[in-house]
Parts: sequence; structure tokens; C-alpha cells
Amino acid sequence: GDSVTQMEGPVTLSEEAFLTINCTYTATGYPSLFWYVQYPGEGLQLLLKATKADDKGSNKGFEATYRKETTSFHLEKGSVQVSDSAVYFCALASGAGSYQLTFGKGTKLSVIP
Amino acid sequence: EADIYQTPRYLVIGTGKKITLECSQTMGHDKMYWYQQDPGMELHLIHYSYGVNSTEKGDLSSESTVSRIRTEHFPLTLESARPSHTSQYLCATLRQGYDTQYFGPGTRLTVL
Repeated sequence: GDSVTQMEGPVTLSEEAFLTINCTYTATGYPSLFWYVQYPGEGLQLLLKATKADDKGSNKGFEATYRKETTSFHLEKGSVQVSDSAVYFCALASGAGSYQLTFGKGTKLSVIP
Repeated sequence: EADIYQTPRYLVIGTGKKITLECSQTMGHDKMYWYQQDPGMELHLIHYSYGVNSTEKGDLSSESTVSRIRTEHFPLTLESARPSHTSQYLCATLRQGYDTQYFGPGTRLTVL
């Protein structure tokens, strides 16, 4: 079955540091890939997505590129801010009539001033 | 404005009580989902519905039940709450033909 593996946290960075959260997946066919973010006390928000190989999703300074050859979708940001402190989830939708998401276990990011 | 509403946002109750968590949406989406989020943050799909009068159990066995008699409404009921039900419960929706799920703000349930 489908699965998503993302790096375990927690991750603690200083403000303006570079962020990478690794995500790899196993899926049949050509899934769509997502990053969701959950701020404290809130639900999940879509951060970015990519629907086919070599697509780059980007939003709020975050980027991730769909790499089919390495089955990866790593999240990056060049300079994190305190306001980026949240839990980040990598997810996939396997398509072909599947209406369910497969989530990674989440990575908690704390950014300190 | 299109949105997803969950009530209550926070609930503390005693063991054995019956509770209903409400989820309603003005997104116009036909598919709806309930996730349970454990303290370790992991998300587990417990129920989903692809339309009115259609409900299915998800990957994680749950003692809760759901109903879908209106497109915009997808309540979750626990007949007898237990401390093991303490979790955050998240409702989500999906539009037909698309693959992006949208989430409500969640209900944080504590059972004493």
C-alpha cells in the first residue's frame, strides 16, 4: 500500500536558518504530493502541492520539488521565522479514483529568536 | 465565505457521557472525513463519506459513529466516552474531481 516517511522531529532552528524536512513516499501510479502545516491549536492548512514529476510547489517562501526518480518531496525554506513554528505533514493522494490522503507522522518545527 | 466549522472547539467531559462533535461546511464539497489526531500528532482516518447516506469506517478502528443526512453536515457521536478517546478530532472536505482536502479547526476532546 501507499506510505509516506518523513523525518522525525522535533526540529529546532534559529531564526533565519535554512530548513529542510525530508519526505519520501511509496505509491503505485502517479500520486499527487502535498505539504500541510498545522499551527498550534488549529487544523491543517495546505502549504503547497505538486501533481506530477519535476513540478515545484511553492508558498510563503517554502518550496518542494516532486522527484519521481528518488520518490521524494522534501520541504525547504531559505530563512525561517519564529512564525514558521508549527507541525508539518507530508501527504500523498494516489489518484485513480482514490479520494483519501496518506499522511506522514508529522515533523514539529520550533524556531527560536 | 466558504468554510468548514467544527463545534465545540474544546470539550472536557466525564467518562460514560454521550457526545456529538459537529462538522458543517459551506464549501459545497460532497466528500467529508473525520481524523483522530493522537498526542504524538499522527493522523488517523476514522470515518469518511462520499455523499448523502454514504458512510464508511476508516483505517483506525473507532467506537464512534457518524451520519450524513445532509451534504453540508457530518456529525460524529461517541455513545459512551472514555479517557482513551482523549484526542484532537479534525474534519475535512474534498470536492469531486479534485485531490486537495481542506480541514476544519478541530475539536480538542478531553475525557476525565
